[in-house]
Amino acid sequence: EAGVAQSPRYKIIEKRQSVAFWCNPISGHATLYWYQQILGQGPKLLIQFQNNGVVDDSQLPKDRFSAERLKGVDSTLKIQPAKLEDSAVYLCASSLDRGHAETQYFGPGTRLLVL
Amino acid sequence: ILNVEQSPQSLHVQEGDSTNFTCSFPSSNFYALHWYRWETAKSPEALFVMTLNGDEKKKGRISATLNTKEGYSYLYIKGSQPEDSATYLCASHNAGNNRKLIWGLGTSLAVNP
Repeated sequence: EAGVAQSPRYKIIEKRQSVAFWCNPISGHATLYWYQQILGQGPKLLIQFQNNGVVDDSQLPKDRFSAERLKGVDSTLKIQPAKLEDSAVYLCASSLDRGHAETQYFGPGTRLLVL
Repeated sequence: ILNVEQSPQSLHVQEGDSTNFTCSFPSSNFYALHWYRWETAKSPEALFVMTLNGDEKKKGRISATLNTKEGYSYLYIKGSQPEDSATYLCASHNAGNNRKLIWGLGTSLAVNP
């Protein structure tokens, strides 16, 4: 079974530029998550999709971050414009469903550096 | 927001040593406790999902226990190997957090050959 795919793996941009990350979840997984992990901190959930609907985006900075999951499969996360404090690892995860005991399967992450 | 705490923050052991770390989580309205291993430049890997008080799970040399009444879980590694070097993350699922996982900061383990 193929895992969660993410691209790019690394990205360096200057502040005020835009960037987009792509995620392809495990086939058949209804729930997709985007996390931000800043060095020294635990992962922070940015947005959670159930199929193509948003379940939770309470911690997404909506003035600059946006995400979509068209057709309930692939997802993109965009930052526009980027700030220095957005430097982090952006992790995508998927699970079969959104139950509390569902294992989340993670991609390798995109390491973003904003200069 | 309810917090999950892990200790120690980092740990250095020699190959062959056994080690353990702690995850403390809110005991109220508890649903599940997840353990993940995250090696540098790789994807976080699920180790265990635990839901029942007194639960004990094992995967090779790694095992975990759960106490939901007092809100803690221990992760044990027997006979550490260099390939065990990673950050070990725990995450708690409680009813009061809008059904999302709350993550600890992780324990960074380095096993010296």
